[in-house]
Parts: sequence; structure tokens; C-alpha cells
Amino acid sequence: DGGITQSPKYLFRKEGQNVTLSCEQNLNHDAMYWYRQDPGQGLRLIYYSQIVNDFQKGDIAEGYSVSREKKESFPLTVTSAQKNPTAFYLCASSAGGWYNEQFFGPGTRLTVL
Amino acid sequence: EDKVVQSPLSLVVHEGDTVTLNCSYEVTNFRSLLWYKQEKKAPTFLFMLTSSGIEKKSGRLSSILDKKELFSILNITATQTGDSAVYLCAVGYLSSSNTGKLIFGQGTTLQVKP
Repeated sequence: DGGITQSPKYLFRKEGQNVTLSCEQNLNHDAMYWYRQDPGQGLRLIYYSQIVNDFQKGDIAEGYSVSREKKESFPLTVTSAQKNPTAFYLCASSAGGWYNEQFFGPGTRLTVL
Repeated sequence: EDKVVQSPLSLVVHEGDTVTLNCSYEVTNFRSLLWYKQEKKAPTFLFMLTSSGIEKKSGRLSSILDKKELFSILNITATQTGDSAVYLCAVGYLSSSNTGKLIFGQGTTLQVKP
């Protein structure tokens, strides 16, 4: 089955710790995206990558970092510099450009204790 | 400022009712409008609209775009409890810095009661 997987489903972190969220796709999509979802605010773009070994900051990149060493994988690290990291994180991929359908993973809910 | 606004933010109806969800936008160079349904986790794609006045339909769901008045509606007829979800609207556009972007509205939470 083709799709996007994210792990873990739930993640708890102590303040001051870095954590890495996994995102893998087997859809052969070039573009991948990370979004953050907070209640009442819709989805906000953290980082995106249109091609392997290249990525760009989105609207709320501060306190986050990414890598894109393989086409299939786009991990997101939430660093201790992120002031309010508790949120639902969604990874997505697309075959075309910005204006086309994006396929989403099931999400990771991060809670900072 | 580029923005997408959905209304209402939440809605409670009974099974069998018809609902209309709204999405209005203000962006620089519009390219597409997309509707997604989100049931607790991954948003799933419903429609992509690029041309005014052409209705897209899938079962009890339909959507239309008005590029002159800068809005889209999503209609759901004969609602069922399985339609309960958050409905997200997203607009793809070319920003003033000539880069592609996609921004999401806040979402409309629909609850369908038996």
C-alpha cells in the first residue's frame, strides 16, 4: 500500500530536550512538507522540501530543523529553542507543485511536560 | 496580508440536514482551492477547484468556486453521522515574492447528531 507514515503517534518530552519526528513516504513524491496544527488555527507550514538535499523554511520554522537525505524520508527535529512545542504535527507529500493535492500522514501528537 | 477564512467555525446539525460551509480568501495570484476532511488525524482530500462556476461533485458532497467574489462553498446534503469532522479549506497561490504557497483556513468543525 502506498502512503505516508509518521511515528511515533504520541510523544512526550521534557522541557529542554530535542525530539525527532519521523515521516516516510513510498509514493515516489518529490515534495514533502511539515505542518503544525493547533486548536482553532488550522495548519501552519514549518518546513518544506521540493527535492532531495534541499529544504526551505515555512512560516513558523523557528525552533525546528529538518533534513532530506533520501526522497522517502523527511524527519523533523523539535529543538529546545521551540517555545511552545505542544501540538499536533502533520507530514505531507505531493507529486506536483504547491497548488496540487497533498497527501497527509496520520500525525504525531507531541506533548511537552 | 494573504489569508483564508472559513465560516462558520463550528456547526451542529441533525442527520438528514443539508449544510453549507464557506471559505473566503485574499491572496495575490490565486492558483487553486482545495477542500479536505479531517477525522481526528490525517486530512483526506475532497476537491480541488481552479475554475469559477464549475461544480465538483462526489456523492452527497459538492463544491463550487467563485473567483470574482473570492470564495468557495462546500455543500453536504442528507448529512450522516460519518460526516462529522473538521473541514479544511486551503488556497494555493503565487506570493508577492514569486514563490508558490499554500495556506489553510482555521477549519469548520461539523457535528452531525443522530
